[in-house]
Amino acid sequence: AQKVTQAQTEISVVEKEDVTLDCVYETRDTTYYLFWYKQPPSGELVFLIRRNSFDEQNEISGRYSWNFQKSTSSFNFTITASQVVDSAVYFCALSGFGYSNASKIIFGSGTRLSIQP
Amino acid sequence: DGGITQSPKYLFRKEGQNVTLSCEQNLNHDAMYWYRQDPGQGLRLIYYSQIVNDFQKGDIAEGYSVSREKKESFPLTVTSAQKNPTAFYLCASSGTVTNEKLFFGSGTQLSVL
Repeated sequence: AQKVTQAQTEISVVEKEDVTLDCVYETRDTTYYLFWYKQPPSGELVFLIRRNSFDEQNEISGRYSWNFQKSTSSFNFTITASQVVDSAVYFCALSGFGYSNASKIIFGSGTRLSIQP
Repeated sequence: DGGITQSPKYLFRKEGQNVTLSCEQNLNHDAMYWYRQDPGQGLRLIYYSQIVNDFQKGDIAEGYSVSREKKESFPLTVTSAQKNPTAFYLCASSGTVTNEKLFFGSGTQLSVL
C-alpha cells in the first residue's frame, strides 16, 4: 500500500530562519512520482515540484530546495531565509508511475508552517 | 487568466438538504477532480472525471454525486445521505499527460446549520 507521512503537524520559526519540512513515503512501486504543494490561507493548493523516482538529484529553486533520498524513502523540503509569505500548509504527495490521471495520488496530512516576523 | 473557479466560498446546509458546489475551469483540461479536506488531514478523493459524460468514484464517494455535461464544468452535490458534510472542498483539474500536476480552485467551506 502507498502511504505518505508528514510527521510535523505544525512548525513555527522566526523570519529569516531556515526550515525543513519532512516527508517520508511508502510504496512497493519501483517507479513513482513525488510532489510538493503549498496551500496559502486563500485555500487553493499551488504546485511546487514534481520529481520522478529515477532522478535523485537535489533541486534548488530560489530559496526552496528539495532533498530526495530513495535509501530512506524521504523527500524533504527546505526553505532558506524564510519569509512571512512562506506561511502556509505544505503537502507532500505520491503517485504511482504511468497513470494518465491523478486518481492514484496520495497526499500526506500536511505541515502547517508559520513564519513569525 | 486561466484557472479554476469554485463557488460559493462558504455554504451552509440544513438537515436533509442537498447542496451543490460549483467548479468551472478554463484551462481546457480533460480531467477534473473533487477532494475533501478535513482539519489536520490530507486530501481525500471524492470523484473524478477524465472526459465529458464520464466519471468515476474516488475513495469517499458515498453521499456525493457529480455530473460532467461540459468539459469546463464539474459540479458536486452533497446529498442528505452524507451525514458528516462539514469540510473544505477543493476542485482540481489536470491534463492527461502521465502523472501531470494538479491545478486547484480556492475551495468551498461547507458547514451544517
